[in-house]
Amino acid sequence: DGGITQSPKYLFRKEGQNVTLSCEQNLNHDAMYWYRQDPGQGLRLIYYSQIVNDFQKGDIAEGYSVSREKKESFPLTVTSAQKNPTAFYLCASSMQPPGGVSQPGELFFGEGSRLTVL
Amino acid sequence: AQSVTQLDSHVSVSEGTPVLLRCNYSSSYSPSLFWYVQHPNKGLQLLLKYTSAATLVKGINGFEAEFKKSETSFHLTKPSAHMSDAAEYFCVVSDRGYGNKLVFGAGTILRVKS
Repeated sequence: DGGITQSPKYLFRKEGQNVTLSCEQNLNHDAMYWYRQDPGQGLRLIYYSQIVNDFQKGDIAEGYSVSREKKESFPLTVTSAQKNPTAFYLCASSMQPPGGVSQPGELFFGEGSRLTVL
Repeated sequence: AQSVTQLDSHVSVSEGTPVLLRCNYSSSYSPSLFWYVQHPNKGLQLLLKYTSAATLVKGINGFEAEFKKSETSFHLTKPSAHMSDAAEYFCVVSDRGYGNKLVFGAGTILRVKS
């Protein structure tokens, strides 16, 4: 079945360590996104990519990095510079950037990765 | 700037009774509006979307929402709650005037009592 796979589902990190969260999609979508979710705050956009080898900062990009070397993959690295990394991270994709040419597209989400800093 | 306000952080209903989750938005142009549902420790799933067609939008699992421009609202309703509806619901706005960026509300947790 087509979908988005995030791994690992749970991850523990010591302070000062970088960690990378994996996101793979087989939906043949052009656009991919990383969101951070904290209780009572909704979702906040970290980074997004509309095409291979290109990505843009979202609202809270500081302390994070991404790459988009393949259409199917959009890994997120949480660096030691991220002050408060404990959160639930969601990856999403869409067939075209929301609102691309005509109307916003639907976002398809993975099941998330929960990162806890010890 | 565009924004979304979900008026209730928690809503509790009894099984079989109606559901109302309230959402107000702010946008200077012509918005598109979405409702997504999230079950615990899962990703989000689209329930329904409004994109300038019919103002009453029907979604999956018996949910519907009505776009009211005069009230800047997009409330989510369901005639009869089911236990499986217990989840968190997010109202989302997107507007071409703001580069089609998606803005998420803070979420409403729906509890369904048996």
